Amino acid sequence: EIVMTQSPDTLSVSLGERVTLSCRASQSVFSNLAWYQQKPGQAPRLLVYGASTRATGIPARFSGTGSGTEFTLTISSLQSEDSALYYCQQYNNWPPLTFGGGTKVEIK
Amino acid sequence: EVHLVESGGGLVQPGGSLRLSCSVSGFTFSDYWMTWVRQAPGKGLEWVATMKRDGSVEYYGASVKGRFTISRDNAENSLYLELTSVKFEDTAVYFCARDRGYGYVDFWGQGTLVTV
Repeated sequence: EIVMTQSPDTLSVSLGERVTLSCRASQSVFSNLAWYQQKPGQAPRLLVYGASTRATGIPARFSGTGSGTEFTLTISSLQSEDSALYYCQQYNNWPPLTFGGGTKVEIK
Repeated sequence: EVHLVESGGGLVQPGGSLRLSCSVSGFTFSDYWMTWVRQAPGKGLEWVATMKRDGSVEYYGASVKGRFTISRDNAENSLYLELTSVKFEDTAVYFCARDRGYGYVDFWGQGTLVTV
């Protein structure tokens, strides 16, 4: 099973600042990585797949980079509506599909 | 517009059974793999099961294999998850989601809560 590790657990960032979230895989997943955003009481929303392709309707301030075992989700200028939990998920070698533990982004 | 609506959650005793349903609209159900993901209270996301378009292939997470069964009715645009021999640790919100066929999901329902 591929273990996905996200860091940090929590980020506290001011509006307008750049945010960088990290995700590491225990073995290479090539570019088979997705990012999801989840707000309290809501279902997750797909942000990025293929490590770097934004899903339909996702603002351009969200960008994904990386391949192999190291991945990054960047929010170029944090907006108030971006306060949420963010999860990475690998789909290279499954089953099982595996998620990271999540990073919480808070507004400072 | 794509919609997925789960139902069937509730309170169940340990060792008991429950059937979750997911009714979909806004897309051709039979063209897509479908997935169940769960989230225990205050915890992260856990993949539960995935089924191929025609129902010929199904995959399960280790924690539910042998106890849960995924199924679908393409004529009724519905996905199901049968939970049996439930344990306290099965308490979670269960989400139904449309899978792109590669293992990532692009649309999610709002979830249904199962409490054991």
